[in-house]
Amino acid sequence: SAVISQKPSRDICQRGTSLTIQCQVDSQVTMMFWYRQQPGQSLTLIATANQGSEATYESGFVIDKFPISRPNLTFSTLTVSNMSPEDSSIYLCSVASGSADTQYFGPGTRLTVL
Amino acid sequence: DQQVKQNSPSLSVQEGRISILNCDYTNSMFDYFLWYKKYPAEGPTFLISISSIKDKNEDGRFTVFLNKSAKHLSLHIVPSQPGDSAVYFCAANYNFNKFYFGSGTKLNVKP
Repeated sequence: SAVISQKPSRDICQRGTSLTIQCQVDSQVTMMFWYRQQPGQSLTLIATANQGSEATYESGFVIDKFPISRPNLTFSTLTVSNMSPEDSSIYLCSVASGSADTQYFGPGTRLTVL
Repeated sequence: DQQVKQNSPSLSVQEGRISILNCDYTNSMFDYFLWYKKYPAEGPTFLISISSIKDKNEDGRFTVFLNKSAKHLSLHIVPSQPGDSAVYFCAANYNFNKFYFGSGTKLNVKP
């Protein structure tokens, strides 16, 4: 399994500001994923980030609000832009296993927007 | 549209007894199902999975049952231990594409 770290682990931000979340994996992976878990809700996929190409966003998520970078096979960032209280969530990155039959998750970033 | 549903937000079980966590899905295309466990301040960790060609998969104290006709799967934990107290998510996908997650069930195993 992959070891995944995320920074920051938590943050409290003001409305209208932006936060960039970093995700580091201990091995090279093709596919990385960004999820959001709002309070009491399921994990919702925001986008899939492949190295060397633009991220693929799910319905309801747009690049202007959640720009993603994937500069290499072990690292990705997700930015939450122009934040509002509705963006308060846990944000998780994950990677697919070699066989793609499961995903491994980072510890998450707990974001609170005031 | 929530394609994977966990209708019980919480479950409390006595140590040593069986824990049964349930999950329903709506998409008949799903061909692979997983259970994840999540402790506070940690990311979900993979627990057990089952392919749609099977109806049961067992791994130690954990067994997942799949009823395709009812579009229902369940996770049995026997015997339950206090360390099993966590939030459990079921997930489903097809052709190893996008994963769909339920909203989770918080299990509390009482000593």
